[in-house]
Amino acid sequence: QSALTQPASVSGSPGQSITISCAGAISDVDNYNFVSWYQQLPGKAPKLIIYEGNKRPSGISDRFSGSKSGNTASLTISGLQAEDEADYYCCLFVGSLAVFGTATQVTVL
Amino acid sequence: QLQLQESGPGMGKPSETLSLTCSVSGGSISSNHYWAWIRQPPGKGLEWIGSMYYGGSTYLNPSLKSRVTMSIDTSKNKLSLKLRFVTAADTAVYYCARHAGTNWYSPNRFDSWGQGSLLTVSS
Repeated sequence: QSALTQPASVSGSPGQSITISCAGAISDVDNYNFVSWYQQLPGKAPKLIIYEGNKRPSGISDRFSGSKSGNTASLTISGLQAEDEADYYCCLFVGSLAVFGTATQVTVL
Repeated sequence: QLQLQESGPGMGKPSETLSLTCSVSGGSISSNHYWAWIRQPPGKGLEWIGSMYYGGSTYLNPSLKSRVTMSIDTSKNKLSLKLRFVTAADTAVYYCARHAGTNWYSPNRFDSWGQGSLLTVSS
């Protein structure tokens, strides 16, 4: 019963840009300033790639960017590469509760 | 460099109480961060279990709150999870992670993760 909905899958060709949405039922849109995004490669632990909506941890490529519009957060991957093929999750911690999105599988065609 | 390593029994039977441990190295569990457990059933998404600060403040997922106990041993730099009355639905990879934020009291991201420990519940 995730409160954050993501598309099940998104695909793109190498070099293209793709966007993954994360739509929430949480009414206070300011909370979406604190969305974080995680990349999970097959068989690996998740890795933080975006936090506080649009900040990148050290070492994360600037091909990854985050944004927000109303109660929807988005992750954009620019210049898509084969190594970007993974599952992606958004997450929000609000009201003493952390909620993960429903996961998006990114396929590089 | 912060490293987290989960360990656990691997398998358990329904109705048992099972425990997992997360050893933290390269940093202090008494630092100004929360520490979290997150699980992932096979082939499914991530589910947050709870987050705890070494000073005792704890947030727990309401869906698991009645069966979960989290604790921190600062002398051993370890985080622990106890899960009671397990069922097959608790079968998952269990991850520990640092739950960080701009301020210690407002964690908003899981910025370091362990590799995970598979727990299988079966009779």
